[in-house]
Amino acid sequence: AQSVTQLGSHVSVSEGALVLLRCNYSSSVPPYLFWYVQYPNQGLQLLLKYTSAATLVKGINGFEAEFKKSETSFHLTKPSAHMSDAAEYFCAVSASGNTPLVFGKGTRLSVIA
Amino acid sequence: KAGVTQTPRYLIKTRGQQVTLSCSPISGHRSVSWYQQTPGQGLQFLFEYFSETQRNKGNFPGRFSGRQFSNSRSEMNVSTLELGDSALYLCASSLDRASLTGELFFGEGSRLTVL
Repeated sequence: AQSVTQLGSHVSVSEGALVLLRCNYSSSVPPYLFWYVQYPNQGLQLLLKYTSAATLVKGINGFEAEFKKSETSFHLTKPSAHMSDAAEYFCAVSASGNTPLVFGKGTRLSVIA
Repeated sequence: KAGVTQTPRYLIKTRGQQVTLSCSPISGHRSVSWYQQTPGQGLQFLFEYFSETQRNKGNFPGRFSGRQFSNSRSEMNVSTLELGDSALYLCASSLDRASLTGELFFGEGSRLTVL
């Protein structure tokens, strides 16, 4: 069975600083990996997805993530945080075409002016 | 193009009652998934429907049920409500099976409070 662990339920960064949100996965087969973002009082929105085409994946709003099989990680980064990035971020994994997406418990990102 | 629409957005029920939540997917999307979101547990998968068939079911008691209609609209029902059922219930649609495309389009959710 696949699972996702997000390290840190809350991350706080200064505006302009690097954003690093950590995600480690467990899967018995090569997985599909995703990052979603949830703004207050809204549903989740896809940021980016990894489907084995390239290990470095670029998403919307300047975010990117790197798939590292040896570390079973898929960390999300952004070089410079903006106030508008304050939201909750979820990592998700799907191990096969017949299994539902499994989400991590989320990391709340705060951006300090 | 209209997004995923969930109704009602907010509702308050008492223990023992039942509730029905509705989800209208994006036009053309045939797959609908339901998730329960709580502060402590994050998003937990409830079920996925594709072309009126339940394809996957999460680890929830039988009090939680769902269905999908021929127009892809979906409903979920929770009977004999418990305090622990208080949560944000999220519906998501996708063109094909969710696990194949990965891209789920979420509604804003139905926030259920059980008193």
